[in-house]
Amino acid sequence: DAGITQSPRHKVTETGTPVTLRCHQTENHRYMYWYRQDPGHGLRLIHYSYGVKDTDKGEVSDGYSVSRSKTEDFLLTLESATSSQTSVYFCAIKISGGEEDTQYFGPGTRLTVL
Amino acid sequence: DAKTTQPTSMDCAEGRAANLPCNHSTISGNEYVYWYRQIHSQGPQYIIHGLKNNETNEMASLIITEDRKSSTLILPHATLRDTAVYYCIVRVPLLYSGGGADGLTFGKGTHLIIQP
Repeated sequence: DAGITQSPRHKVTETGTPVTLRCHQTENHRYMYWYRQDPGHGLRLIHYSYGVKDTDKGEVSDGYSVSRSKTEDFLLTLESATSSQTSVYFCAIKISGGEEDTQYFGPGTRLTVL
Repeated sequence: DAKTTQPTSMDCAEGRAANLPCNHSTISGNEYVYWYRQIHSQGPQYIIHGLKNNETNEMASLIITEDRKSSTLILPHATLRDTAVYYCIVRVPLLYSGGGADGLTFGKGTHLIIQP
């Protein structure tokens, strides 16, 4: 599992409340990613990070912000949750070796916004 | 990244080899073929990847045709726990892509059902 944990694993919240999801890795990899998975859409990249304090937007970044103040943690924040953000959120890290690189995923966080 | 085509679903008997095909006819020279699977409600699990040579690890074998336009993932002795959606992805490693977002693009995949 490449030492990736996500917390919380399940969360139910109400529209308009802030929510922060945490991704933690134990191996100090440089690249980390947040995806969401919805029926009919597959996995879509929200934000990614290429180092401490270095982040950038992915395909579906509206309504989300991220922070990475230390290598091991990548936080995803929904400033004001909406029902359209009900989804399963996956964190991933990338392990590089020579020319190649591979992404490994965490177990996911199931978020329900009522 | 090149588009891939996979069958929607496949069945395989427990204990037999499961052969999952993938077409990627527009693959470019520096694109690798990756396979992931996702068991219901779990995170995608990396299986194997390759560029042009056949690859084998403890989970599976990957056979890539000489022209690289298609590949086959082989699970040598399928078990009930191998029932999952299998995704074939082709992508350029970050080293060659020049940076930027390198999120993986998962298509619909193949739903492999292992029958007892």
